[in-house]
Amino acid sequence: GAVVSQHPSRVICKSGTSVKIECRSLDFQATTMFWYRQFPKQSLMLMATSNEGSKATYEQGVEKDKFLINHASLTLSTLTVTSAHPEDSSFYICSARELSGRNTEAFFGQGTRLTVV
Amino acid sequence: GNSVTQMEGPVTLSEEAFLTINCTYTATGYPSLFWYVQYPGEGLQLLLKATKADDKGSNKGFEATYRKETTSFHLEKGSVQVSDSAVYFCALSPGNQFYFGTGTSLTVIP
Repeated sequence: GAVVSQHPSRVICKSGTSVKIECRSLDFQATTMFWYRQFPKQSLMLMATSNEGSKATYEQGVEKDKFLINHASLTLSTLTVTSAHPEDSSFYICSARELSGRNTEAFFGQGTRLTVV
Repeated sequence: GNSVTQMEGPVTLSEEAFLTINCTYTATGYPSLFWYVQYPGEGLQLLLKATKADDKGSNKGFEATYRKETTSFHLEKGSVQVSDSAVYFCALSPGNQFYFGTGTSLTVIP
């Protein structure tokens, strides 16, 4: 199947700094990518939908000024956690669909474990 | 609206036991249904999927049948192995977006 690469897999940063997470579709073009956050022992919470060449669509309750999403090309989306705080520590996962439509699966990145100290 | 309800875990089974993880859904329209598996510290991997009523998805000994009449997509495996220990997520997709259940943690002991 298609491959989505997420980097870094693990990052520790100091409170107040910013962290950028990259999500790449390696062998297909993804017009839409999704960013999820997963709390321990909980399901994935959709944070935002990233559309290539346009502004991301954020879910209710997600601060768009804190979680900056950029989808500059058909193979790359980035999530920047700005002025990170310990409560932002979480597992962040991106996904992409190869084609639009309900019959295609979503491919997930490996996830990024963010720890803010 | 769209939502997925999964049986709560954790589930602990002995090797070679039979596994069932229940999943029911509510949806507008005719969604595709999926089971994803997450191993510790990793992202989600597609386990199986079904795109229309009565379809059966299967992979690695796991099966699930899309039951429209009961709005269910229960995951089953006849004989689990230690390597099946993971968290399993049921999901539906009516279009572009995915809706996930809360996940069920499975531990298989030798």
